[in-house]
Amino acid sequence: DTGVSQNPRHKITKRGQNVTFRCDPISEHNRLYWYRQTLGQGPEFLTYFQNEAQLEKSRLLSDRFSAERPKGSFSTLEIQRTEQGDSAMYLCASSPGRWRDYGYTFGSGTRLTVV
Amino acid sequence: KQEVTQIPAALSVPEGENLVLNCSFTDSAIYNLQWFRQDPGKGLTSLLLIQSSQREQTSGRLNASLDKSSGRSTLYIAASQPGDSATYLCAVRPDMGGSEKLVFGKGTKLTVNP
Repeated sequence: DTGVSQNPRHKITKRGQNVTFRCDPISEHNRLYWYRQTLGQGPEFLTYFQNEAQLEKSRLLSDRFSAERPKGSFSTLEIQRTEQGDSAMYLCASSPGRWRDYGYTFGSGTRLTVV
Repeated sequence: KQEVTQIPAALSVPEGENLVLNCSFTDSAIYNLQWFRQDPGKGLTSLLLIQSSQREQTSGRLNASLDKSSGRSTLYIAASQPGDSATYLCAVRPDMGGSEKLVFGKGTKLTVNP
């Protein structure tokens, strides 16, 4: 286990379809984060899990977005009824305990294009 | 609300030059600050993490400083190489009621010309 893995790398979908992304964090990391990055911008926080508990959600996470981490290992991010404004890079990151002492490790991202 | 600004937005230098990237943040109440590198269409690679109690961190040709009271950080790159070409992002973790989110700047796009 050498890093944070995200699948798929790229996803093209038609407007109105549902999509699901997967993130596998570093195995010993109990904290998992989702961010969204649009072109020319820095990443924006979406949500955070500590083990299986979703402890923080951004206002950016509308009711069309849902994230899960059922067994405290991998996580999924689902977007329902996709809109063109959802086109972005979706980044996952993980961090070990004692988060104040450690930074994040990010995955390579999933690029979503809604046509 | 914490805001992070990075100046310049883009920078082009000849190979071998030393350079400084700047990051400023509006609220000095932070736990730490992290510098990342992002290649086009890729995820983020962590470069340096500075805790709020620290003044600087070094890794190879990179040196990051933090002046928490003035809300500033710099990333110094020595003897730049074409392989350093990328977007460099600064992010702070605010000291805000247990929130774990990072707040990012928009990045500085660096081009090192051979």
